Amino acid sequence: QKEVEQDPGPLSVPEGAIVSLNCTYSNSAFQYFMWYRQYSRKGPELLMYTYSSGNKEDGRFTAQVDKSSKYISLFIRDSQPSDSATYLCAMSQSGGSYIPTFGRGTSLIVHP
Amino acid sequence: GAVVSQHPSRVICKSGTSVKIECRSLDFQATTMFWYRQFPKQSLMLMATSNEGSKATYEQGVEKDKFLINHASLTLSTLTVTSAHPEDSSFYICSARTPPGNTEAFFGQGTRLTVV
Repeated sequence: QKEVEQDPGPLSVPEGAIVSLNCTYSNSAFQYFMWYRQYSRKGPELLMYTYSSGNKEDGRFTAQVDKSSKYISLFIRDSQPSDSATYLCAMSQSGGSYIPTFGRGTSLIVHP
Repeated sequence: GAVVSQHPSRVICKSGTSVKIECRSLDFQATTMFWYRQFPKQSLMLMATSNEGSKATYEQGVEKDKFLINHASLTLSTLTVTSAHPEDSSFYICSARTPPGNTEAFFGQGTRLTVV
């Protein structure tokens, strides 16, 4: 079992839809959770960063962390064609190691 | 957010030659930088962790002599692919972490290496 599981998709939605992207993990020591957006042939761009459990909102994006279930989500409201990209979740432990572990990414397609 | 610049964005080289990729943190000092390799439709594969002023820590299975990493200053790390072969063709991405205590990592634009 991989430490971080993420469905690669593709996930295809119409413009304006609410998108839900998810990751599960097995390492209970993870405390820092991140979502990155990666356009084709570009480096990942940090979208959201949360510590421990709870919700965090930034514009159309909401990140949720449920540590009891080892499950994290990224919601995108009013999705736009420009949101079409691969979304990678990442997480890391506190303490000595801050090296993030990445999911394989979910490909999102928002069609007009 | 912090800016990480990676150069070149694309490079084509002949088999047997060496290629150097630069990663710079433009507006912060990065004591730690990471080098990743990414295959099409796959996640990021960590190759090595680079700490300023010390030897890089390589992940299992990554050849140290083939992928030379130098982190000579707080704003620059370089990855040199030595004696490149077609199987080294890939997308290489660097990442830098902001000062100690932060866990956010910011990525460069990536380098598409093609070995012919």
